[in-house]
Amino acid sequence: DAKTTQPPSMDCAEGRAANLPCNHSTISGNEYVYWYRQIHSQGPQYIIHGLKNNETNEMASLIITEDRKSSTLILPHATLRDTAVYYCIVRVDNYGQNFVFGPGTRLSVLP
Amino acid sequence: GAVVSQHPSRVICKSGTSVKIECRSLDFQATTMFWYRQFPKQSLMLMATSNEGSKATYEQGVEKDKFLINHASLTLSTLTVTSAHPEDSSFYICSARDLRAEGKLFFGSGTQLSVL
Repeated sequence: DAKTTQPPSMDCAEGRAANLPCNHSTISGNEYVYWYRQIHSQGPQYIIHGLKNNETNEMASLIITEDRKSSTLILPHATLRDTAVYYCIVRVDNYGQNFVFGPGTRLSVLP
Repeated sequence: GAVVSQHPSRVICKSGTSVKIECRSLDFQATTMFWYRQFPKQSLMLMATSNEGSKATYEQGVEKDKFLINHASLTLSTLTVTSAHPEDSSFYICSARDLRAEGKLFFGSGTQLSVL
Protein backbone atom coordinates (compact mmCIF):
# COMPACT_ATOMS: atom_id res chain seq x y z
CA ASP A 1 0.00 0.00 0.00
CA ALA A 2 1.13 3.53 -0.75
CA LYS A 3 2.60 5.65 2.04
CA THR A 4 0.74 8.72 3.25
CA THR A 5 1.99 11.92 4.84
CA GLN A 6 -0.14 14.07 7.11
CA PRO A 7 0.65 17.05 9.34
CA PRO A 8 0.97 15.89 12.95
CA SER A 9 -1.48 18.43 14.31
CA MET A 10 -3.92 21.18 13.33
CA ASP A 11 -6.23 23.62 15.08
CA CYS A 12 -9.59 24.80 13.86
CA ALA A 13 -12.09 27.26 15.27
CA GLU A 14 -15.49 25.88 16.16
CA GLY A 15 -18.00 26.46 13.38
CA ARG A 16 -15.34 26.92 10.73
CA ALA A 17 -14.37 24.42 8.06
CA ALA A 18 -11.54 22.05 8.92
CA ASN A 19 -9.38 21.10 5.94
CA LEU A 20 -7.09 18.16 6.60
CA PRO A 21 -4.49 17.43 3.91
CA CYS A 22 -2.91 14.12 2.98
CA ASN A 23 -0.11 13.44 0.54
CA HIS A 24 0.02 10.09 -1.23
CA SER A 25 2.35 10.71 -4.14
CA THR A 26 3.06 7.00 -4.76
CA ILE A 27 -0.58 5.99 -5.00
CA SER A 28 -1.40 3.35 -7.60
CA GLY A 29 -4.32 3.43 -10.00
CA ASN A 30 -6.32 0.84 -8.10
CA GLU A 31 -5.76 2.26 -4.61
CA TYR A 32 -8.52 3.99 -2.72
CA VAL A 33 -8.15 6.86 -0.25
CA TYR A 34 -9.85 6.18 3.08
CA TRP A 35 -10.30 8.52 6.05
CA TYR A 36 -10.94 7.37 9.60
CA ARG A 37 -10.89 9.27 12.86
CA GLN A 38 -10.28 8.19 16.42
CA ILE A 39 -11.72 10.06 19.34
CA HIS A 40 -9.82 9.58 22.56
CA SER A 41 -10.12 6.08 24.05
CA GLN A 42 -12.45 4.84 21.33
CA GLY A 43 -12.08 2.67 18.25
CA PRO A 44 -11.56 4.38 14.88
CA GLN A 45 -14.64 5.57 13.02
CA TYR A 46 -15.06 5.43 9.25
CA ILE A 47 -15.56 8.84 7.66
CA ILE A 48 -15.34 8.59 3.89
CA HIS A 49 -13.42 7.04 1.02
CA GLY A 50 -12.90 7.60 -2.71
CA LEU A 51 -10.97 6.50 -5.77
CA LYS A 52 -10.90 9.37 -8.27
CA ASN A 53 -13.96 11.53 -7.89
CA ASN A 54 -14.70 13.88 -5.05
CA GLU A 55 -17.06 12.39 -2.49
CA THR A 56 -19.47 13.84 0.04
CA ASN A 57 -21.51 12.29 2.79
CA GLU A 58 -23.22 13.45 5.94
CA MET A 59 -19.95 13.68 7.80
CA ALA A 60 -17.47 15.20 5.39
CA SER A 61 -16.26 15.85 1.88
CA LEU A 62 -13.24 14.29 0.24
CA ILE A 63 -11.41 16.22 -2.45
CA ILE A 64 -8.90 14.21 -4.49
CA THR A 65 -6.56 16.03 -6.86
CA GLU A 66 -6.68 15.13 -10.52
CA ASP A 67 -3.30 13.40 -10.38
CA ARG A 68 -4.48 11.61 -7.18
CA LYS A 69 -1.24 12.42 -5.39
CA SER A 70 -2.98 14.25 -2.60
CA SER A 71 -6.37 14.69 -1.03
CA THR A 72 -8.16 16.89 1.49
CA LEU A 73 -10.77 15.91 4.02
CA ILE A 74 -13.19 18.74 4.71
CA LEU A 75 -15.36 18.98 7.82
CA PRO A 76 -17.63 21.85 6.76
CA HIS A 77 -18.63 23.11 10.19
CA ALA A 78 -16.31 21.73 12.84
CA THR A 79 -17.66 21.19 16.34
CA LEU A 80 -15.86 20.42 19.58
CA ARG A 81 -16.86 16.78 19.14
CA ASP A 82 -14.76 16.63 15.97
CA THR A 83 -11.59 16.86 18.05
CA ALA A 84 -9.82 13.59 17.24
CA VAL A 85 -6.91 12.00 15.41
CA TYR A 86 -7.65 11.74 11.69
CA TYR A 87 -6.05 8.98 9.65
CA CYS A 88 -5.60 9.01 5.88
CA ILE A 89 -5.07 5.50 4.49
CA VAL A 90 -4.38 4.46 0.92
CA ARG A 91 -4.96 0.88 -0.07
CA VAL A 92 -6.22 -1.53 -2.65
CA ASP A 93 -9.78 -2.54 -1.93
CA ASN A 94 -8.84 -6.09 -1.03
CA TYR A 95 -11.35 -7.55 1.35
CA GLY A 96 -8.89 -9.87 2.98
CA GLN A 97 -6.32 -7.33 4.03
CA ASN A 98 -6.14 -4.93 6.89
CA PHE A 99 -5.60 -1.17 6.99
CA VAL A 100 -2.20 0.20 7.96
CA PHE A 101 -2.49 3.23 10.22
CA GLY A 102 0.11 6.00 10.19
CA PRO A 103 0.43 8.60 12.95
CA GLY A 104 -2.45 10.71 11.56
CA THR A 105 -3.32 14.35 12.24
CA ARG A 106 -4.44 15.41 15.68
CA LEU A 107 -7.21 17.96 15.06
CA SER A 108 -8.14 20.26 17.92
CA VAL A 109 -11.36 22.21 17.48
CA LEU A 110 -11.17 25.31 19.64
CA PRO A 111 -14.17 27.16 21.11
CA GLY B 1 -22.94 1.72 9.38
CA ALA B 2 -22.20 -1.77 10.56
CA VAL B 3 -21.74 -2.41 14.27
CA VAL B 4 -18.82 -4.17 15.87
CA SER B 5 -19.20 -4.82 19.59
CA GLN B 6 -16.15 -5.32 21.78
CA HIS B 7 -16.27 -6.47 25.38
CA PRO B 8 -15.13 -5.68 28.00
CA SER B 9 -14.34 -2.01 27.56
CA ARG B 10 -11.97 -2.00 30.49
CA VAL B 11 -10.31 -4.73 32.51
CA ILE B 12 -7.85 -4.72 35.38
CA CYS B 13 -6.12 -7.96 36.25
CA LYS B 14 -3.26 -9.32 38.31
CA SER B 15 0.01 -10.30 36.73
CA GLY B 16 -0.01 -13.93 35.64
CA THR B 17 -3.72 -14.19 34.94
CA SER B 18 -5.38 -14.55 31.54
CA VAL B 19 -7.85 -12.13 30.02
CA LYS B 20 -10.30 -12.79 27.22
CA ILE B 21 -11.59 -10.03 24.95
CA GLU B 22 -14.58 -10.63 22.68
CA CYS B 23 -15.30 -9.01 19.34
CA ARG B 24 -18.67 -9.48 17.68
CA SER B 25 -20.06 -8.28 14.38
CA LEU B 26 -23.66 -7.58 15.30
CA ASP B 27 -25.40 -7.17 11.97
CA PHE B 28 -23.10 -8.76 9.46
CA GLN B 29 -20.89 -11.78 9.00
CA ALA B 30 -17.16 -11.36 9.07
CA THR B 31 -14.90 -14.08 7.74
CA THR B 32 -11.92 -11.93 8.65
CA MET B 33 -11.38 -9.83 11.74
CA PHE B 34 -8.30 -7.89 12.78
CA TRP B 35 -6.78 -7.26 16.20
CA TYR B 36 -4.75 -4.15 16.96
CA ARG B 37 -3.02 -2.76 20.01
CA GLN B 38 -2.37 0.87 20.71
CA PHE B 39 -0.05 2.46 23.25
CA PRO B 40 -0.69 5.99 24.55
CA LYS B 41 -0.21 8.71 21.93
CA GLN B 42 0.73 6.13 19.30
CA SER B 43 -1.06 4.80 16.28
CA LEU B 44 -2.75 1.42 15.94
CA MET B 45 -0.50 -1.53 15.30
CA LEU B 46 -1.84 -4.71 13.76
CA MET B 47 -1.27 -7.77 15.92
CA ALA B 48 -3.00 -10.50 13.96
CA THR B 49 -5.58 -11.36 11.35
CA SER B 50 -8.31 -13.67 12.56
CA ASN B 51 -9.79 -16.02 9.98
CA GLU B 52 -13.04 -17.87 10.63
CA GLY B 53 -12.48 -21.59 10.85
CA SER B 54 -8.71 -21.46 10.51
CA LYS B 55 -5.61 -20.33 12.36
CA ALA B 56 -4.89 -16.68 12.85
CA THR B 57 -2.06 -14.97 11.04
CA TYR B 58 0.24 -13.10 13.41
CA GLU B 59 2.40 -10.09 12.62
CA GLN B 60 6.12 -10.31 13.11
CA GLY B 61 7.08 -9.97 16.74
CA VAL B 62 3.68 -10.94 18.14
CA GLU B 63 3.80 -14.10 20.25
CA LYS B 64 1.03 -16.41 19.13
CA ASP B 65 1.21 -18.46 22.33
CA LYS B 66 0.69 -15.35 24.40
CA PHE B 67 -2.07 -13.78 22.34
CA LEU B 68 -4.46 -16.60 21.53
CA ILE B 69 -7.02 -15.85 18.86
CA ASN B 70 -10.12 -17.90 18.18
CA HIS B 71 -12.58 -17.18 15.37
CA ALA B 72 -15.09 -19.96 15.79
CA SER B 73 -18.03 -18.31 14.06
CA LEU B 74 -18.71 -15.70 11.41
CA THR B 75 -19.69 -13.17 14.05
CA LEU B 76 -17.28 -13.77 16.92
CA SER B 77 -13.53 -13.55 17.39
CA THR B 78 -11.79 -13.67 20.75
CA LEU B 79 -8.36 -12.54 21.88
CA THR B 80 -6.96 -14.11 25.03
CA VAL B 81 -3.95 -12.53 26.65
CA THR B 82 -2.35 -15.41 28.55
CA SER B 83 -0.22 -14.96 31.65
CA ALA B 84 -0.54 -11.21 31.41
CA HIS B 85 2.28 -8.98 32.57
CA PRO B 86 2.37 -5.21 33.15
CA GLU B 87 4.01 -4.66 29.76
CA ASP B 88 0.86 -6.13 28.15
CA SER B 89 -1.13 -3.18 29.47
CA SER B 90 -2.48 -1.45 26.39
CA PHE B 91 -5.59 -0.51 24.41
CA TYR B 92 -6.73 -3.45 22.28
CA ILE B 93 -9.05 -2.89 19.33
CA CYS B 94 -10.75 -5.31 16.97
CA SER B 95 -12.19 -4.65 13.54
CA ALA B 96 -14.11 -6.41 10.80
CA ARG B 97 -14.89 -5.71 7.17
CA ASP B 98 -18.49 -5.54 6.03
CA LEU B 99 -18.60 -6.90 2.50
CA ARG B 100 -22.07 -5.43 2.08
CA ALA B 101 -20.64 -1.95 2.63
CA GLU B 102 -17.97 -1.89 -0.05
CA GLY B 103 -15.67 -3.73 2.30
CA LYS B 104 -15.32 -0.82 4.72
CA LEU B 105 -13.56 -1.63 7.97
CA PHE B 106 -15.56 -1.15 11.15
CA PHE B 107 -14.01 -1.06 14.60
CA GLY B 108 -14.98 -2.08 18.08
CA SER B 109 -14.85 0.48 20.86
CA GLY B 110 -11.64 -0.98 22.27
CA THR B 111 -10.57 -2.63 25.52
CA GLN B 112 -8.24 -0.92 27.96
CA LEU B 113 -6.21 -3.63 29.69
CA SER B 114 -4.33 -2.77 32.85
CA VAL B 115 -2.13 -5.48 34.37
CA LEU B 116 -1.06 -4.86 37.94
